[in-house]
Amino acid sequence: AQSVTQLGSHVSVSEGALVLLRCNYSSSVPPYLFWYVQYPNQGLQLLLKYTTGATLVKGINGFEAEFKKSETSFHLTKPSAHMSDAAEYFCAVSPPNTGNQFYFGTGTSLTVIP
Amino acid sequence: ETGVTQSPTHLIKTRGQQVTLRCSSQSGHNTVSWYQQALGQGPQFIFQYYREEENGRGNFPPRFSGLQFPNYSSELNVNALELDDSALYLCASSLSKRLAGGREQFFGPGTRLTVL
Repeated sequence: AQSVTQLGSHVSVSEGALVLLRCNYSSSVPPYLFWYVQYPNQGLQLLLKYTTGATLVKGINGFEAEFKKSETSFHLTKPSAHMSDAAEYFCAVSPPNTGNQFYFGTGTSLTVIP
Repeated sequence: ETGVTQSPTHLIKTRGQQVTLRCSSQSGHNTVSWYQQALGQGPQFIFQYYREEENGRGNFPPRFSGLQFPNYSSELNVNALELDDSALYLCASSLSKRLAGGREQFFGPGTRLTVL
């Protein structure tokens, strides 16, 4: 069974500081990996994904994430936080060869302090 | 290009009733997935439909059922509503192959269901 752990349900950073949101997965076979963002009262929007190839992936709004197989991690980073980054962030895994089914972590709420 | 739409936006039901939620997938997408997002939680996978057939199911009881129509729109039906069914229900569409993964899912804004 797939399992996704997001360490830290709430993260606060100062505007301009580094953003680091953690995601670890539990799977015998490396899954496809995604980060989604959810603004209040809205659906989820894709930030970035890893399927194959380069392990450092770049997404929208200056976010990037690195797939580390040995650590079963896919942490999300952004060098400089902006006020507009305040939102809920979800890491998701999609097991290969089972259809495009997603399993989400419990989310991390990011607060940006001016 | 029209995105994923869901109706209704909000819904209030009482325990024991039945509810139907609707989703129109993004143009050209053949796969629809439904998720339940309880307050303060991540979305939980309910089930997925690929070309009108169920293509995987999460840990939800049979009173959660669904349909996908030839135009790839979809319905989620919940019978015998319980208080714990109160949540945001999200629909997501993608262009996929039955057993392939790794495709972006495009989410609708959700239907907020309250069960009293």
